[in-house]
Amino acid sequence: GAGVSQTPSNKVTEKGKYVELRCDPISGHTALYWYRQSLGQGPEFLIYFQGTGAADDSGLPNDRFFAVRPEGSVSTLKIQRTERGDSAVYLCASSRGSGTGELFFGEGSRLTVL
Amino acid sequence: QKEVEQNSGPLSVPEGAIASLNCTYSDRGSQSFFWYRQYSGKSPELIMSIYSNGDKEDGRFTAQLNKASQYVSLLIRDSQPSDSATYLCAALNTGFQKLVFGTGTRLLVSP
Repeated sequence: GAGVSQTPSNKVTEKGKYVELRCDPISGHTALYWYRQSLGQGPEFLIYFQGTGAADDSGLPNDRFFAVRPEGSVSTLKIQRTERGDSAVYLCASSRGSGTGELFFGEGSRLTVL
Repeated sequence: QKEVEQNSGPLSVPEGAIASLNCTYSDRGSQSFFWYRQYSGKSPELIMSIYSNGDKEDGRFTAQLNKASQYVSLLIRDSQPSDSATYLCAALNTGFQKLVFGTGTRLLVSP
């Protein structure tokens, strides 16, 4: 597709469960970002990949959160032992390269932890 | 202090008026600034970028940057009801690694 694709669009899980959220960036975009957005707030930075490596993971809230991008394209955000406070919309974005603020966002994955 | 601050609003303006949205930032090393529009239930989309002091115009939108005052603004001329959305101000941090967003200002344009 032409845009950033995120799956699932909605995920409901129980406290303590493991979830994976997937992001397929725009073809040719080397930089990929994960943000988290809670109601009434702006997107909160989680992690940024340039190619296969995590260039900046300073926004990951704790070690329950992990993200990979093994082949430099698709990325998966993994959350272990989910907590109710993890409920949010998880946004993925891509850009042509690093050092640009011109991001293209996917429609997000809404995570609800019961 | 948040890195990028915005008034959450809502800012209400009548159709045809000028809407003025403001943003301040704390990282003096930030060099590039962006305005994203986010409709309710949708993802953010880029509408303006500005890299140097002064004004930058694009259609009905004008972005303004004052690095000495650490202030960024977005003016929307001839506001339309379709402009009703949340406007997110963002700054590219000093290391050029991540885009930091404000909380957004909700704009309501009434017919």
